[in-house]
Amino acid sequence: GENVEQHPSTLSVQEGDSAVIKCTYSDSASNYFPWYKQELGKRPQLIIDIRSNVGEKKDQRIAVTLNKTAKHFSLHITETQPEDSAVYFCAAVLIQGAQKLVFGQGTRLTINP
Amino acid sequence: DSGVTQTPKHLITATGQRVTLRCSPRSGDLSVYWYQQSLDQGLQFLIQYYNGEERAKGNILERFSAQQFPDLHSELNLSSLELGDSALYFCASSVVGITGNEQFFGPGTRLTVL
Repeated sequence: GENVEQHPSTLSVQEGDSAVIKCTYSDSASNYFPWYKQELGKRPQLIIDIRSNVGEKKDQRIAVTLNKTAKHFSLHITETQPEDSAVYFCAAVLIQGAQKLVFGQGTRLTINP
Repeated sequence: DSGVTQTPKHLITATGQRVTLRCSPRSGDLSVYWYQQSLDQGLQFLIQYYNGEERAKGNILERFSAQQFPDLHSELNLSSLELGDSALYFCASSVVGITGNEQFFGPGTRLTVL
C-alpha cells in the first residue's frame, strides 16, 4: 500500500522568510496530493492540492510542486506570517481507488516574530 | 465550518467500556471516512463507507466497527476500550468522483479512556 514520508518534523522560520516542507510517496499510481493545515485542537483544513497531471500550483503565498518521476512533492510558503504557525500534513491518494488519504507524519511549523 | 458534524465533542470513559461516535457528512456527500489522531501523532485512516457500504479499511482494530446508515450518517463503535485508544477521532466526507477528492473534516471527538 501507499506510504508517505514527510520532512522535517519540525520547522522554525523567521516571520517573512519562506518555509518548505517535503513529502515522498511510494505508490506511483497515486494521482492526487492534498496538503492540510491543522491548528491546535482543530480540524485539518485543506489549503492546497495538486493532481498528477500538473507540476506546480500556486495560491497566493502557497505553492505546491510535484515531481512524479521522483515521487515527491513539496509545499512552499512565502512571506510567512504568525498565523501560518500550525501542523501541516501532506497526503497521497488514488482518485479512482478507494480514495483513502494516506498522510505524512506532519510538520510542526513555527513562525518566529 | 466544513459542514461535517460530529458528536459528542468530548467523551470520557473507563477501560473496558464501549462508546459510539457519530458523524453527519456534508449535504450531498456519499462517502464518509474515519481517522484516528493520537497525541503528537499523525492521522491514521481507519475505515471508509460509500453510500452505505464499506469501501476501504485501514488500520482499524477488530474491537472497532463502523456503519453508514441510509440517511448517510455514520457511527464508529469502539469496544473493550484501552488506555491507548485515547485520541481525537475525525470523520471526513467527500464527493467521490473522478474530478477530485477534497475531504472535509468534522471538528472531531476527543476520547479519553481512564
